[in-house]
Amino acid sequence: QQQVKQSPQSLIVQKGGISIINCAYENTAFDYFPWYQQFPGKGPALLIAIRPDVSEKKEGRFTISFNKSAKQFSLHIMDSQPGDSATYFCAANLQTGANNLFFGTGTRLTVIP
Amino acid sequence: DTEVTQTPKHLVMGMTNKKSLKCEQHMGHRAMYWYKQKAKKPPELMFVYSYEKLSINESVPSRFSPECPNSSLLNLHLHALQPEDSALYLCASSLGTGLSNQPQHFGDGTRLSIL
Repeated sequence: QQQVKQSPQSLIVQKGGISIINCAYENTAFDYFPWYQQFPGKGPALLIAIRPDVSEKKEGRFTISFNKSAKQFSLHIMDSQPGDSATYFCAANLQTGANNLFFGTGTRLTVIP
Repeated sequence: DTEVTQTPKHLVMGMTNKKSLKCEQHMGHRAMYWYKQKAKKPPELMFVYSYEKLSINESVPSRFSPECPNSSLLNLHLHALQPEDSALYLCASSLGTGLSNQPQHFGDGTRLSIL
Protein backbone atom coordinates (compact mmCIF):
# COMPACT_ATOMS: atom_id res chain seq x y z
CA GLN A 1 0.00 0.00 0.00
CA GLN A 2 1.54 3.26 -1.19
CA GLN A 3 1.14 5.77 1.63
CA VAL A 4 2.29 8.70 -0.51
CA LYS A 5 1.43 8.99 -4.20
CA GLN A 6 3.60 11.12 -6.46
CA SER A 7 3.21 12.38 -10.01
CA PRO A 8 4.40 12.71 -12.66
CA GLN A 9 6.91 9.88 -12.93
CA SER A 10 9.06 11.98 -15.24
CA LEU A 11 9.09 15.62 -16.26
CA ILE A 12 10.91 17.56 -18.95
CA VAL A 13 11.05 21.33 -18.61
CA GLN A 14 12.78 24.06 -20.58
CA LYS A 15 15.42 26.13 -18.84
CA GLY A 16 13.74 29.03 -17.10
CA GLY A 17 10.40 27.26 -16.85
CA ILE A 18 8.46 26.12 -13.80
CA SER A 19 8.66 22.50 -12.68
CA ILE A 20 5.70 21.20 -10.67
CA ILE A 21 5.60 17.88 -8.84
CA ASN A 22 2.51 16.73 -6.99
CA CYS A 23 2.01 14.40 -4.04
CA ALA A 24 -0.99 13.10 -2.14
CA TYR A 25 -1.31 11.20 1.11
CA GLU A 26 -3.99 9.40 3.06
CA ASN A 27 -2.82 9.24 6.66
CA THR A 28 -3.91 12.41 8.46
CA ALA A 29 -1.48 11.59 11.28
CA PHE A 30 1.47 12.60 9.09
CA ASP A 31 2.96 15.74 10.58
CA TYR A 32 6.02 16.63 8.52
CA PHE A 33 6.49 16.66 4.75
CA PRO A 34 10.05 16.85 3.41
CA TRP A 35 11.20 16.88 -0.20
CA TYR A 36 14.45 15.20 -1.17
CA GLN A 37 16.61 15.73 -4.26
CA GLN A 38 18.77 12.87 -5.46
CA PHE A 39 21.49 13.04 -8.11
CA PRO A 40 22.84 9.86 -9.72
CA GLY A 41 25.35 8.12 -7.46
CA LYS A 42 24.40 10.25 -4.46
CA GLY A 43 22.10 9.89 -1.50
CA PRO A 44 18.87 11.87 -1.15
CA ALA A 45 19.51 15.41 0.07
CA LEU A 46 16.91 17.35 2.02
CA LEU A 47 15.63 20.18 -0.17
CA ILE A 48 12.77 21.79 1.72
CA ALA A 49 10.14 20.67 4.23
CA ILE A 50 6.79 21.84 5.57
CA ARG A 51 4.46 21.16 8.47
CA PRO A 52 0.70 20.77 7.85
CA ASP A 53 -0.18 23.96 9.74
CA VAL A 54 1.54 26.01 7.03
CA SER A 55 0.06 26.43 3.52
CA GLU A 56 3.21 27.53 1.73
CA LYS A 57 6.94 27.62 2.29
CA LYS A 58 9.48 29.20 0.00
CA GLU A 59 13.25 28.81 -0.05
CA GLY A 60 14.92 30.49 -2.98
CA ARG A 61 13.53 29.04 -6.21
CA PHE A 62 11.81 26.16 -4.38
CA THR A 63 8.28 26.45 -2.98
CA ILE A 64 6.08 23.88 -1.27
CA SER A 65 2.33 24.40 -1.46
CA PHE A 66 0.29 22.44 1.06
CA ASN A 67 -3.46 21.76 1.00
CA LYS A 68 -4.40 20.02 4.23
CA SER A 69 -8.08 19.53 3.41
CA ALA A 70 -7.25 17.87 0.09
CA LYS A 71 -4.30 15.97 1.62
CA GLN A 72 -2.08 17.16 -1.19
CA PHE A 73 1.20 19.00 -1.45
CA SER A 74 3.38 20.06 -4.32
CA LEU A 75 6.87 21.29 -5.13
CA HIS A 76 7.34 24.20 -7.49
CA ILE A 77 10.78 24.93 -8.92
CA MET A 78 10.86 28.40 -10.42
CA ASP A 79 13.33 29.38 -13.16
CA SER A 80 14.36 25.73 -13.56
CA GLN A 81 18.02 25.19 -14.43
CA PRO A 82 19.86 22.23 -16.03
CA GLY A 83 21.57 21.73 -12.64
CA ASP A 84 18.14 20.95 -11.16
CA SER A 85 17.98 17.78 -13.27
CA ALA A 86 17.65 15.05 -10.66
CA THR A 87 15.12 12.70 -9.09
CA TYR A 88 12.80 14.32 -6.55
CA PHE A 89 11.05 12.40 -3.79
CA CYS A 90 8.27 13.74 -1.66
CA ALA A 91 7.88 12.11 1.73
CA ALA A 92 5.64 12.12 4.75
CA ASN A 93 6.77 11.60 8.27
CA LEU A 94 5.25 10.47 11.53
CA GLN A 95 7.55 12.26 13.90
CA THR A 96 6.05 10.70 16.98
CA GLY A 97 7.24 7.18 17.52
CA ALA A 98 9.96 5.88 15.26
CA ASN A 99 10.13 8.82 12.85
CA ASN A 100 9.23 6.66 9.84
CA LEU A 101 9.63 8.31 6.46
CA PHE A 102 7.16 7.28 3.78
CA PHE A 103 8.46 8.14 0.33
CA GLY A 104 6.62 8.87 -2.88
CA THR A 105 7.68 6.95 -5.97
CA GLY A 106 9.90 9.73 -7.28
CA THR A 107 9.91 12.14 -10.23
CA ARG A 108 12.78 12.26 -12.66
CA LEU A 109 13.20 15.89 -13.72
CA THR A 110 15.15 16.85 -16.82
CA VAL A 111 15.72 20.54 -17.53
CA ILE A 112 16.81 21.12 -21.12
CA PRO A 113 18.89 24.19 -22.05
CA ASP B 1 29.45 16.94 1.01
CA THR B 2 27.07 14.99 3.20
CA GLU B 3 27.61 14.93 6.97
CA VAL B 4 26.75 11.25 7.07
CA THR B 5 29.73 9.26 5.84
CA GLN B 6 29.37 5.77 4.44
CA THR B 7 32.13 3.32 3.56
CA PRO B 8 32.88 1.67 1.30
CA LYS B 9 31.33 3.54 -1.65
CA HIS B 10 31.25 0.37 -3.73
CA LEU B 11 31.32 -3.29 -2.73
CA VAL B 12 31.30 -6.42 -4.85
CA MET B 13 30.91 -9.69 -3.02
CA GLY B 14 30.10 -13.32 -3.64
CA MET B 15 27.12 -15.03 -2.11
CA THR B 16 29.26 -16.82 0.47
CA ASN B 17 31.23 -13.79 1.62
CA LYS B 18 30.88 -11.86 4.85
CA LYS B 19 31.29 -8.10 4.68
CA SER B 20 30.23 -5.02 6.62
CA LEU B 21 28.98 -1.59 5.67
CA LYS B 22 29.88 1.33 7.90
CA CYS B 23 28.12 4.61 8.60
CA GLU B 24 29.35 7.49 10.71
CA GLN B 25 27.88 10.84 11.74
CA HIS B 26 29.17 13.51 14.10
CA MET B 27 26.11 15.73 14.28
CA GLY B 28 25.05 14.49 17.71
CA HIS B 29 22.11 12.64 16.22
CA ARG B 30 20.66 9.85 18.33
CA ALA B 31 18.55 8.12 15.67
CA MET B 32 20.14 6.23 12.79
CA TYR B 33 18.58 4.34 9.91
CA TRP B 34 19.42 1.83 7.21
CA TYR B 35 17.59 1.97 3.89
CA LYS B 36 17.80 -0.12 0.73
CA GLN B 37 17.27 1.56 -2.63
CA LYS B 38 16.82 -0.26 -5.91
CA ALA B 39 17.29 1.56 -9.21
CA LYS B 40 14.56 4.10 -10.01
CA LYS B 41 12.76 3.34 -6.73
CA PRO B 42 12.44 5.23 -3.45
CA PRO B 43 14.47 4.18 -0.43
CA GLU B 44 12.92 1.38 1.65
CA LEU B 45 13.40 1.39 5.39
CA MET B 46 15.25 -1.60 6.84
CA PHE B 47 16.23 -0.73 10.42
CA VAL B 48 15.89 2.12 12.92
CA TYR B 49 18.15 2.65 15.90
CA SER B 50 17.18 5.07 18.63
CA TYR B 51 19.74 5.80 21.37
CA GLU B 52 21.77 2.80 20.17
CA LYS B 53 18.83 0.43 20.58
CA LEU B 54 17.13 -1.28 17.67
CA SER B 55 13.60 0.07 17.55
CA ILE B 56 12.41 -1.07 14.12
CA ASN B 57 13.26 -4.07 11.97
CA GLU B 58 11.11 -3.98 8.86
CA SER B 59 11.00 -7.76 8.43
CA VAL B 60 14.50 -7.79 6.98
CA PRO B 61 16.05 -11.24 6.32
CA SER B 62 18.56 -12.40 8.92
CA ARG B 63 21.38 -12.29 6.36
CA PHE B 64 21.39 -8.56 7.17
CA SER B 65 22.53 -7.86 10.73
CA PRO B 66 22.69 -4.28 12.02
CA GLU B 67 24.85 -3.06 14.86
CA CYS B 68 25.12 0.29 16.60
CA PRO B 69 28.37 0.31 18.65
CA ASN B 70 27.89 3.92 19.77
CA SER B 71 25.81 6.97 19.00
CA SER B 72 28.00 7.99 16.04
CA LEU B 73 28.44 4.63 14.33
CA LEU B 74 26.14 2.24 12.55
CA ASN B 75 27.19 -0.99 10.88
CA LEU B 76 25.39 -3.41 8.62
CA HIS B 77 26.86 -6.90 8.58
CA LEU B 78 26.22 -8.93 5.46
CA HIS B 79 26.37 -12.71 5.10
CA ALA B 80 25.18 -15.15 2.46
CA LEU B 81 23.49 -12.48 0.37
CA GLN B 82 21.48 -13.18 -2.76
CA PRO B 83 21.79 -11.49 -6.17
CA GLU B 84 18.51 -9.66 -5.52
CA ASP B 85 20.18 -7.91 -2.58
CA SER B 86 22.23 -5.87 -5.05
CA ALA B 87 21.21 -2.27 -4.40
CA LEU B 88 22.30 1.07 -2.97
CA TYR B 89 22.37 0.90 0.83
CA LEU B 90 21.75 4.23 2.46
CA CYS B 91 22.37 5.32 6.00
CA ALA B 92 20.53 8.27 7.52
CA SER B 93 20.44 10.02 10.85
CA SER B 94 18.17 12.43 12.66
CA LEU B 95 18.29 14.27 15.95
CA GLY B 96 16.04 11.69 17.51
CA THR B 97 12.77 9.86 17.16
CA GLY B 98 9.55 11.39 18.41
CA LEU B 99 10.76 14.95 17.77
CA SER B 100 9.09 17.54 15.56
CA ASN B 101 10.71 19.20 12.54
CA GLN B 102 13.74 16.95 12.62
CA PRO B 103 14.52 15.65 9.15
CA GLN B 104 16.57 12.65 8.25
CA HIS B 105 19.96 13.33 6.67
CA PHE B 106 21.29 10.74 4.26
CA GLY B 107 24.75 9.57 3.33
CA ASP B 108 25.72 8.87 -0.28
CA GLY B 109 25.32 5.16 0.18
CA THR B 110 27.23 1.98 -0.57
CA ARG B 111 26.61 0.49 -4.02
CA LEU B 112 26.49 -3.26 -3.37
CA SER B 113 26.76 -5.87 -6.10
CA ILE B 114 26.29 -9.57 -5.35
CA LEU B 115 27.86 -11.97 -7.83
